[in-house]
Amino acid sequence: EDKVVQSPLSLVVHEGDTVTLNCSYEVTNFRSLLWYKQEKKAPTFLFMLTSSGIEKKSGRLSSILDKKELFSILNITATQTGDSAVYLCAVPRSNYQLIWGAGTKLIIKP
Amino acid sequence: DAGVTQSPTHLIKTRGQQVTLRCSPISGHKSVSWYQQVLGQGPQFIFQYYEKEERGRGNFPDRFSARQFPNYSSELNVNALLLGDSALYLCASSYRTGGTETQYFGPGTRLLVL
Repeated sequence: EDKVVQSPLSLVVHEGDTVTLNCSYEVTNFRSLLWYKQEKKAPTFLFMLTSSGIEKKSGRLSSILDKKELFSILNITATQTGDSAVYLCAVPRSNYQLIWGAGTKLIIKP
Repeated sequence: DAGVTQSPTHLIKTRGQQVTLRCSPISGHKSVSWYQQVLGQGPQFIFQYYEKEERGRGNFPDRFSARQFPNYSSELNVNALLLGDSALYLCASSYRTGGTETQYFGPGTRLLVL
């Protein structure tokens, strides 16, 4: 059965710390992995990863995919209170159905 | 450009009632997906529509139905509401890029069934 597993489920750190969020997957005919940030309501798109070993970067956020070991990590450096959110990982089962992890709830303390 | 819009933002219903949720996709997107997100869990896929045709359906009962209109907007209908239907209902529109789709989400409709 296709599945996406994220860890940890929750994480509390202080401002300025660096965090690493994990996403492992088992999905048939893998094509891509997506990271989203969810604050109060709608998930907002962060990254789409399709190739192993190529880091995607946006400001203090970066992500990389390992297709051999079937996982991805999302790094956030110099965290700020505005980074507090649930970070979701999703993998398309086909071209249209996303399989989602349960998310990592990140809390940044001032 | 306007993003995905959903209405209403919040809704309170009682068991047994029916509800209709609405979604307008980003201009140029022809595909709309619906998800149910229960507190503390990731979204669960309900439907995807593309060019007014159902392209995929998740593991939800027949009480859930949807349709897509010629302008690509969509409605999700839920009949005979149960307490367990209380959730955030997310709509996402998408376009295809490089063989896979990137989905952009609306703000969601929070449904409470009493």
